[in-house]
Amino acid sequence: KNEVEQSPQNLTAQEGEFITINCSYSVGISALHWLQQHPGGGIVSLFMLSSGKKKHGRLIATINIQEKHSSLHITASHPRDSAVYICAPDSGGGADGLTFGKGTHLIIQP
Amino acid sequence: DSGVTQTPKHLITATGQRVTLRCSPRSGDLSVYWYQQSLDQGLQFLIQYYNGEERAKGNILERFSAQQFPDLHSELNLSSLELGDSALYFCASSVLSSYNEQFFGPGTRLTVL
Repeated sequence: KNEVEQSPQNLTAQEGEFITINCSYSVGISALHWLQQHPGGGIVSLFMLSSGKKKHGRLIATINIQEKHSSLHITASHPRDSAVYICAPDSGGGADGLTFGKGTHLIIQP
Repeated sequence: DSGVTQTPKHLITATGQRVTLRCSPRSGDLSVYWYQQSLDQGLQFLIQYYNGEERAKGNILERFSAQQFPDLHSELNLSSLELGDSALYFCASSVLSSYNEQFFGPGTRLTVL
């Protein structure tokens, strides 16, 4: 079973700050998902990546498969970025499917 | 809007009862995944179907079962319900069977009293 550690668990920052959320996992994988869960409960897929870096707007995700580590960065953070961010290593099927971190609760204050 | 629909949005029932949750994937997606999110366990993978066949099984209890129909919609059946089954149940869909982006439905909130 893949053990997933996310840090920090909670983060409060001021609008405009650069945000970094880290994810480490124990078992080698071929891909990792970053998800965003809004206060209302809905889940949105932000990224799926298997190597290097991906960028979408103000969001950047990086992964180092060898070191079993991924980071999610938010540049110029905004109060609408307030949500729970969840990383989910993807074993590609079998017994594990997606394994989820406990999430990072992010609050961006104006 | 992800294009994935789930019904019902909310469900309140009693212990011992049986319920069925329904999921319609995005048009063209062949894979459907079911997940449970509870306060104490977080998000957990339950089961995946791909083009009508069971593809992967996670932490799904024996009291729970699922199927994917020829039109690719899926149902999750929960029986002999217990208080601890109260949770948000999400389905997600994707085009391929593995290693691709998943699109999540809005979830069904199940409350067992």
